[in-house]
Amino acid sequence: DAGVIQSPRHEVTEMGQEVTLRCKPISGHDYLFWYRQTMMRGLELLIYFNNNVPIDDSGMPEDRFSAKMPNASFSTLKIQPSEPRDSAVYFCASQQQWNQPQHFGDGTRLSIL
Amino acid sequence: EDQVTQSPEALRLQEGESSSLNCSYTVSGLRGLFWYRQDPGKGPEFLFTLYSAGEEKEKERLKATLTKKESFLHITAPKPEDSATYLCAVQEDTSGSRLTFGEGTQLTVNP
Repeated sequence: DAGVIQSPRHEVTEMGQEVTLRCKPISGHDYLFWYRQTMMRGLELLIYFNNNVPIDDSGMPEDRFSAKMPNASFSTLKIQPSEPRDSAVYFCASQQQWNQPQHFGDGTRLSIL
Repeated sequence: EDQVTQSPEALRLQEGESSSLNCSYTVSGLRGLFWYRQDPGKGPEFLFTLYSAGEEKEKERLKATLTKKESFLHITAPKPEDSATYLCAVQEDTSGSRLTFGEGTQLTVNP
């Protein structure tokens, strides 16, 4: 069974540009999560969806960040405009049911110059 | 607010030298405590879930235990391939599926 698939694996762009990160969850999983990992703050939850509906977006840092889940097999995280402090590794994870473990993709390493 | 503290931050062991990693937590009601392993350039990989004090789970050289305030990940006779960062996370019973992660313990096992 394929795991969580994220693209791109690496993204380097200039400050002010729009960045779109993509995620394909494991088939049949009802929950999808977006995390950000930095040396300073560790792994922190940005937002999660249940059955394509955003449930908790309290971790989204500011209005420059937005996430969508148009269907059960695809989600995007957008940053517009991007800033150097957004540089981090962004992970997507999916979960079959609320009492099951979350399974992570291998992340997108984002560098904003 | 949930708080998860892992110690030590880094640990170096010789192959075969057993040790333990600690994860202390403060939550109003624990739904579950999770252990993950993370290799460089990869996402966290699920290891164990513990739900109640006294529970233990084992997998190869790893054993996870849980009390009301902390969890231990015991590593018996580690091998170099056990080198990784080990993360613990807690899920509170009022926070839905939200996980709060600790900072991790970076384990290095020398041959």
